[in-house]
Amino acid sequence: AQSVTQLGSHVSVSEGALVLLRCNYSSSVPPYLFWYVQYPNQGLQLLLKYTSAATLVKGINGFEAEFKKSETSFHLTKPSAHMSDAAEYFCAVSLTGANSKLTFGKGITLSVRP
Amino acid sequence: DTAVSQTPKYLVTQMGNDKSIKCEQNLGHDTMYWYKQDSKKFLKIMFSYNNKELIINETVPNRFSPKSPDKAHLNLHINSLELGDSAVYFCASSPRGRDEQFFGPGTRLTVL
Repeated sequence: AQSVTQLGSHVSVSEGALVLLRCNYSSSVPPYLFWYVQYPNQGLQLLLKYTSAATLVKGINGFEAEFKKSETSFHLTKPSAHMSDAAEYFCAVSLTGANSKLTFGKGITLSVRP
Repeated sequence: DTAVSQTPKYLVTQMGNDKSIKCEQNLGHDTMYWYKQDSKKFLKIMFSYNNKELIINETVPNRFSPKSPDKAHLNLHINSLELGDSAVYFCASSPRGRDEQFFGPGTRLTVL
């Protein structure tokens, strides 16, 4: 079975500051890992994904994440936060990749202060 | 040009009623999913269909019955609604052989 842990429920940063959202996974086989963003009252949008290619993955809106097998982590970063980044962020894992279910973490709310 | 659409967006109903939520995708994807997001924003898979065939059925009460008339549609019917069914329900789809899923805007179900 696979699982995802997102520590904390809320992260607050100043505009222009570094964004770091943590995600640790548990999986019995090499995982497929994803970060999704959910803006208020909207569906989820894929930010980026790791599927066993490059360990540093670049996504949309300036976000990137690094897969570290030794730490079982897939933390999401962005060098400079923008007000429009305020949203809910979900880390997710799947085992087999194609057409398989996503197991989500509980999500982290990102607030950006002016 | 909506990719994954859901109707209705909001649904308010009384306990004991039966209701349906519809989902349609115009992306040509083969696989569709239903997820439930609870009041704490926790997302959990409910069902998955591949080309109209049920492939994932998590431990969901049998009051919930998905139906896929064709591969572009996956509807969710809920019988005898309970207070605990109040949540946001998301439909998603993914293309054949690919791992990313595309989500609809969600349906907020409130059971009174």
